[in-house]
Amino acid sequence: AQSVTQLGSHVSVSEGALVLLRCNYSSSVPPYLFWYVQYPNQGLQLLLKYTSAATLVKGINGFEAEFKKSETSFHLTKPSAHMSDAAEYFCAVSDDQAGTALIFGKGTTLSVSS
Amino acid sequence: NAGVTQTPKFRILKIGQSMTLQCTQDMNHNYMYWYRQDPGMGLKLIYYSVGAGITDKGEVPNGYNVSRSTTEDFPLRLELAAPSQTSVYFCASRLDRGEGETQYFGPGTRLLVL
Repeated sequence: AQSVTQLGSHVSVSEGALVLLRCNYSSSVPPYLFWYVQYPNQGLQLLLKYTSAATLVKGINGFEAEFKKSETSFHLTKPSAHMSDAAEYFCAVSDDQAGTALIFGKGTTLSVSS
Repeated sequence: NAGVTQTPKFRILKIGQSMTLQCTQDMNHNYMYWYRQDPGMGLKLIYYSVGAGITDKGEVPNGYNVSRSTTEDFPLRLELAAPSQTSVYFCASRLDRGEGETQYFGPGTRLLVL
């Protein structure tokens, strides 16, 4: 069965610092991977997705993620954090069984301090 | 396009009451999903539908029912509300089965069962 694991339920950075949110996946077939962001009291918005076209994926708001098959990882990064990046971030994999629903990690809350 | 809309935004139910959470999408998407989000647990799939008249259970279907009579609407029914159903409910849709297809989420319904 497919799954994703997000290391660290809470990450704190200073404004201008590097953001690194970790995601590891478990899949017996080539996965389709997604990062979503959730701002307080809102729905989920797609940041970026990996669909095997390129291992380095660029998303919105300056975020990017690199797919590393050897490490089964899809970590999310941003070179310089902004206060507006404070939110909850979810890594997800597409389930090839249940109507291609998403299987989510437990989420990582990002805090940004000035 | 309004995208995926959900009503109500917030509801308080008493134990044993019933209610229907409404979900509508105007993107002519075939696939629709219901997830619940509990703190620290990510999102879990309740039910999904691959087209009008076709529904199937997800990971946590107990206590819920769904129907899909039209492409646009995918209501979620709670028959006998229980405190364990206190959660935030998200509806999502996608165009077709392609595993790299983006899922679009509604703003959520926050449900409190007392």
